[in-house]
Amino acid sequence: NAGVMQNPRHLVRRRGQEARLRCSPMKGHSHVYWYRQLPEEGLKFMVYLQKENIIDESGMPKERFSAEFPKEGPSILRIQQVVRGDSAAYFCASSLREGVTDTQYFGPGTRLTVL
Amino acid sequence: DAKTTQPTSMDCAEGRAANLPCNHSTISGNEYVYWYRQIHSQGPQYIIHGLKNNETNEMASLIITEDRKSSTLILPHATLRDTAVYYCIVRVPSGAGSYQLTFGKGTKLSVIP
Repeated sequence: NAGVMQNPRHLVRRRGQEARLRCSPMKGHSHVYWYRQLPEEGLKFMVYLQKENIIDESGMPKERFSAEFPKEGPSILRIQQVVRGDSAAYFCASSLREGVTDTQYFGPGTRLTVL
Repeated sequence: DAKTTQPTSMDCAEGRAANLPCNHSTISGNEYVYWYRQIHSQGPQYIIHGLKNNETNEMASLIITEDRKSSTLILPHATLRDTAVYYCIVRVPSGAGSYQLTFGKGTKLSVIP
């Protein structure tokens, strides 16, 4: 059973460009979570999605960031007009169903570097 | 929201048991304790979780005190590959249908040869 997959693993963008990060959840999982880890810091929750729905985006910056999880295909985290402060590791997690005992499984992450 | 407190770092000799403590004195009755670890810059790896009973799986054991104010993660025979940052997390429901994980600074465990 393949785990959570993320691509690309490394992404380099110049300031002002767009970054698209992809996450394929574990087989059978329909809940996706995105987290960001800035250098030397812990992971911070960004957004929680189910298929075609954003459930909680309380951790998303108000501008330039968006996320989607379409009916078909991977979840996408999109960052428009990237700035140097966006350089970080972005991790995606997936779970089988919601509930306080539901376990989130993480992917290997995408390391974004903004030049 | 329940907060957790962990030591910043710990050392453990290879082959010995590693005991990682966590305080969560404000935990509420329906909140679970989860443990994850992050090896170098990899994605966090789920280890174990529990509510009030002790739990054991192929990776570790979780001991939760009777008052649930603290817990200990036990790696029975630590290896060099167990060197990682270990996070103790109390599951916090936030809004309808959202169960984000709140990561603190964790404990940096160094397994010494």
